[in-house]
Amino acid sequence: DAEITQSPRHKITETGRQVTLACHQTWNHNNMFWYRQDLGHGLRLIHYSYGVHDTNKGEVSDGYSVSRSNTEDLPLTLESAASSQTSVYFCASSEFPSGGPSNEQFFGPGTRLTVL
Amino acid sequence: GQNIDQPTEMTATEGAIVQINCTYQTSGFNGLFWYQQHAGEAPTFLSYNVLDGLEEKGRFSSFLSRSKGYSYLLLKELQMKDSASYLCAVRENEGGATNKLIFGTGTLLAVQP
Repeated sequence: DAEITQSPRHKITETGRQVTLACHQTWNHNNMFWYRQDLGHGLRLIHYSYGVHDTNKGEVSDGYSVSRSNTEDLPLTLESAASSQTSVYFCASSEFPSGGPSNEQFFGPGTRLTVL
Repeated sequence: GQNIDQPTEMTATEGAIVQINCTYQTSGFNGLFWYQQHAGEAPTFLSYNVLDGLEEKGRFSSFLSRSKGYSYLLLKELQMKDSASYLCAVRENEGGATNKLIFGTGTLLAVQP
């Protein structure tokens, strides 16, 4: 069955280290998104992509970067991890333009990142 | 910009009906979504409204009034497994590529026996 996966599921790192979170989907979806979820803030969009070689900044993009070299993957990189980036990170994908009227986003299982 | 408001917490009784409200302000609107999220899990899609009115899906219904910037999610015949966070999200209208979602902070629903 097609799916969306994230790895690792849990990560502990130190301040200043570079960290990459992987997101892989097998639906052949054009659209992919990265969110972080924190208490009191809900899901906030970090970066998103509408296709290969397309990337866009979301509302909380500072300190994060993404690249889209193929349809299936959108890795999220924290260039120099900070304690403020301790969070749960969700990747999502959706089909565009043929996803139907709702074209809902499907979420991966999440990665819990702790920056010490 | 976008602003989405929903209550932080609600409590309801098993077998009862509960309504979770969501109000939004947006510069461009292209649909409203409700997602369910159990603790420690990923959000899962529940419903979608783009036109005014009620959409029914089994025990769950969602209503939209675009003129009022208002939606609600109605859960009937509550079950213990409905204890979860319910996220309201608005899709921005970006022209050709219209799939970016703005989420509210979510409503944590506790269903009690």
